Amino acid sequence: DVKVTQSSRYLVKRTGEKVFLECVQDMDHENMFWYRQDPGLGLRLIYFSYDVKMKEKGDIPEGYSVSREKKERFSLILESASTNQTSMYLCASSLFVEQYFGPGTRLTVT
Amino acid sequence: DQQVKQNSPSLSVQEGRISILNCDYTNSMFDYFLWYKKYPAEGPTFLISISSIKDKNEDGRFTVFLNKSAKHLSLHIVPSQPGDSAVYFCAAIEFETGANNLFFGTGTRLTVIP
Repeated sequence: DVKVTQSSRYLVKRTGEKVFLECVQDMDHENMFWYRQDPGLGLRLIYFSYDVKMKEKGDIPEGYSVSREKKERFSLILESASTNQTSMYLCASSLFVEQYFGPGTRLTVT
Repeated sequence: DQQVKQNSPSLSVQEGRISILNCDYTNSMFDYFLWYKKYPAEGPTFLISISSIKDKNEDGRFTVFLNKSAKHLSLHIVPSQPGDSAVYFCAAIEFETGANNLFFGTGTRLTVIP
């Protein structure tokens, strides 16, 4: 079974803090993705990566950056957290089409 | 612009009856479509998929229908069970771009009433 894990299930941060969200997959997948899920807006792609050290912007990259130093790990970074980044963050990985998701991190920025 | 749309944010169905979730898309180049199910506080899980060269795919209680001329797909769940209560997302991918990212709809919350 594919396993995608995320470092935290719930996180509370203050405005202006730097926030790291970690994602690890154990299936040697080339592709990894970061989404945020908000009510009425569905899943919106923030960044994705096809290979180590490679990244591509998704639909809403503003205010975020990513890092992929190892194939199994994809990090999402909020350089200076803002209240409008309060959301559910979902990481996924894939080999071809089907994406496998982690359990999500509920981030609250106060 | 949203390329995949789910116009019904919610749907309630009696247990044992059929649930029909709908999805529309604008990009005629999409090659493959998927449905995901998401429970609260969990990540989405893959449910069923269909290639653009087919018009129907069935897996147990779940059937997906694709109408390419109408750019419309639907997920049928028969019979519906209380455990099916979740948010359902449809997604699509265009292979020719070389990218592996999926375009997701906004989701439909299905409630199956016992």
